[in-house]
Amino acid sequence: EVQLVQSGAEVKKPGESLKISCKGSGYSFTSYWIGWVRQMPGKGLEWMGIIYPGDSDTRYSPSFQGQVTISADKSISTAYLQWSSLKASDTAMYYCARPGIAAAVIDYWGQGTLVTVSS
Amino acid sequence: DIQMTQSPSSLSASVGDRVTITCRASQSISSYLNWYQQKPGKAPKLLIYAASSLQSGVPSRFSGSGSGTDFTLTISSLQPEDFATYYCQQSYSTLIFTFGPGTKVDIK
Repeated sequence: EVQLVQSGAEVKKPGESLKISCKGSGYSFTSYWIGWVRQMPGKGLEWMGIIYPGDSDTRYSPSFQGQVTISADKSISTAYLQWSSLKASDTAMYYCARPGIAAAVIDYWGQGTLVTVSS
Repeated sequence: DIQMTQSPSSLSASVGDRVTITCRASQSISSYLNWYQQKPGKAPKLLIYAASSLQSGVPSRFSGSGSGTDFTLTISSLQPEDFATYYCQQSYSTLIFTFGPGTKVDIK
């Protein structure tokens, strides 16, 4: 069974750094792209970017380029989303999402990680 | 960049109603259009892929149609568990999965 299990909720202050994780299991982690989606409180879904763990090829949505870093450690089947300096506007639910082998549709989602940034 | 729009942004309907949600792309995306359902506090769930193909396990009351720039999600007979927010998503742009703004379906 394919599973994406994300790290737990985080409460941080503005200016702090953060790295959240998404561990894949039940499939070949290095053979599928894995992406990240932001959902701000009461708002819609925003595509952030995606990584291919096999070779770390990473693509960012223009809105998120330079704002976050996506990475992966294939040795432990885990993808990451990180911030170097959080802002209050980064408060959101973050989902990892795995497209199918053709990378045309997202068929598996993590349970979400709630990030709260507040002074 | 391809932009996605949806209409209406929200609707109220009764159990048993036929519900139609429209999604429009800013340029032709062929049939690279997927539909997701999201309930409060939950991750999205894939309903329809490639514009009209029903994901395994999804009830047949859900259907999708369209190609090019205009697409439709139809729920033939709304059930209590269908009250949720629905998102379209394009996958024409390689590895950039732009979502529509969503349509919230609630109880009349």
